[in-house]
Amino acid sequence: AQSVTQPDIHITVSEGASLELRCNYSYGATPYLFWYVQSPGQGLQLLLKYFSGDTLVQGIKGFEAEFKRSQSSFNLRKPSVHWSDAAEYFCAVGAKTSYDQVIFGPGTSLSVIP
Amino acid sequence: GAGVSQTPSNKVTEKGKYVELRCDPISGHTALYWYRQSLGQGPEFLIYFQGTGAADDSGLPNDRFFAVRPEGSVSTLKIQRTERGDSAVYLCASSPAQGVGYTFGSGTRLTVV
Repeated sequence: AQSVTQPDIHITVSEGASLELRCNYSYGATPYLFWYVQSPGQGLQLLLKYFSGDTLVQGIKGFEAEFKRSQSSFNLRKPSVHWSDAAEYFCAVGAKTSYDQVIFGPGTSLSVIP
Repeated sequence: GAGVSQTPSNKVTEKGKYVELRCDPISGHTALYWYRQSLGQGPEFLIYFQGTGAADDSGLPNDRFFAVRPEGSVSTLKIQRTERGDSAVYLCASSPAQGVGYTFGSGTRLTVV
């Protein structure tokens, strides 16, 4: 069965600084990988996704993520964080089965210092 | 509609009562998913519908939980004899096809007192 770990429960960065959120997954084949963001009191918004092809994927709001098969990782990055990026970030993995049940990681909470 | 709509946005109920949570997916989306998110945790899969049928209900925690999607569009999650541990945000998502990522609704916050 697939699983997702996000080693950092909480990260604090200064506005304008770069950001990297870590995600590791466990799955026996090539997975589908996702990053979602959840602002307080809001639903989950898809930032980006990886299905196949280029291992560096671009998303919305200036985010990107890189799939590294050898490390079973899919880390999320942003070169310059804005105060509005403060939110909860979830990495998720989907199985390429007859349906795409998606398993979520526990999340990383991002705080941004002005 | 333009997005996934969930009603009510908040529900407070007494322990032992029955509740229904509604999800109206994006028009044309055949796949519909229910997740539960407890405080400080990631969403936990409950059930998946493809069309009218529940293709996978392995995430439902026990037989107090049940979901239907009779016409392949709107879905209702039903919880009988609610317990305080059922308190969580219940999220619905829909997808037009396999592997394209979900669109989530804003969720229903259920509080059992």
